[in-house]
Amino acid sequence: AQSVTQLGSHVSVSEGALVLLRCNYSSSVPPYLFWYVQYPNQGLQLLLKYTSAATLVKGINGFEAEFKKSETSFHLTKPSAHMSDAAEYFCAVRYTGTASKLTFGTGTRLQVTL
Amino acid sequence: DTAVSQTPKYLVTQMGNDKSIKCEQNLGHDTMYWYKQDSKKFLKIMFSYNNKELIINETVPNRFSPKSPDKAHLNLHINSLELGDSAVYFCASSQEDRGHGYTFGSGTRLTVV
Repeated sequence: AQSVTQLGSHVSVSEGALVLLRCNYSSSVPPYLFWYVQYPNQGLQLLLKYTSAATLVKGINGFEAEFKKSETSFHLTKPSAHMSDAAEYFCAVRYTGTASKLTFGTGTRLQVTL
Repeated sequence: DTAVSQTPKYLVTQMGNDKSIKCEQNLGHDTMYWYKQDSKKFLKIMFSYNNKELIINETVPNRFSPKSPDKAHLNLHINSLELGDSAVYFCASSQEDRGHGYTFGSGTRLTVV
């Protein structure tokens, strides 16, 4: 079954530091991969997606993620954290085809400190 | 214009009541979904409709019944509400043939007391 694993339910970084949120998928066939962000009491916003084009994907708010097939990973990074980045981040996987569904990881809460 | 809109945003109700949540999308997408987010933020798909046809029906109590009058609308009706139904319910939509992610509504926070 398709799934994603997010390592670390809680990550804390200092403002200006590198952000690294980890995501690994379980599949022999590269799926579509996504990162979503959820700010407190809000819905989910798409940050970026991998759909078998370039392996380095740039998203909104300075985030990017690199698809590494050999490691079955799709980690999310940002060179310099900002206080406004504090939120819950979800990695998600999906395959094409009818009745395919977006399956989410358990989420990582990013805390940014001064 | 909101792409995926849900109403109501908040819903507080007593156990045993029946309630509905409405969802509308103006993106022209052909597929709509309901997700449930529990208190630990875990997101789980409940239902999916493609052009008004039910295509995903996860293990959900039959007290939950989705209805799609047209491809722009997907409503969720819940009978005999229980305390454990308290959660945030998200509607989403996508275009099946594009392999894109989903566009989510802002959620409906359901509290059963």
